[in-house]
Amino acid sequence: NAGVTQTPKFRILKIGQSMTLQCTQDMNHNYMYWYRQDPGMGLKLIYYSVGAGITDKGEVPNGYNVSRSTTEDFPLRLELAAPSQTSVYFCASSNDRIRANEKLFFGSGTQLSVL
Amino acid sequence: KNQVEQSPQSLIILEGKNCTLQCNYTVSPFSNLRWYKQDTGRGPVSLTIMTFSENTKSNGRYTATLDADTKQSSLHITASQLSDSASYICVVSAGNNRKLIWGLGTSLAVNP
Repeated sequence: NAGVTQTPKFRILKIGQSMTLQCTQDMNHNYMYWYRQDPGMGLKLIYYSVGAGITDKGEVPNGYNVSRSTTEDFPLRLELAAPSQTSVYFCASSNDRIRANEKLFFGSGTQLSVL
Repeated sequence: KNQVEQSPQSLIILEGKNCTLQCNYTVSPFSNLRWYKQDTGRGPVSLTIMTFSENTKSNGRYTATLDADTKQSSLHITASQLSDSASYICVVSAGNNRKLIWGLGTSLAVNP
């Protein structure tokens, strides 16, 4: 079973370019999340979704957009890439809200460099 | 301010030895505490999740403890293996909206 799948694994962008990071999960999870992980920093939540058609901002949403047209897919869009968006991006999913024993399942990440 | 601090920042041990990683938090209101293992180039994988009323939880050779009074947690790894080389991240869930506060992790290297 694949779990959470992210593509691409690596990408280099020029300043001002746009791209979409893909995320799909096959666990029929309602909740999906996008995090970024910078060196020396804890994971930061960018956006999350509680179900198809519903998305909400996390801690660091500026410069990003998301959509959730299906339960399985939760793409992250960068419209005008900036060097500050150089990071490792992780998509995650959970069956329900982060309750007492609700696990988060993560993808393998996308390493993005903006030059 | 909600914070999660981990120590040591990095640790090197020999295969077969035990080790203990520490996590101190100042998060209120506390909901639960999680330990994740993150291999290089991979996403975090959940090891344990503990609520306020649980003070010990095991997952194979990993044992987590929680002292909610002192706001401290530890992750003990028994009989370490080379595959234990990874970053171990402490995460505290805060408040009614269960916001996750992530620590910076302890980087563990297990050498043969």
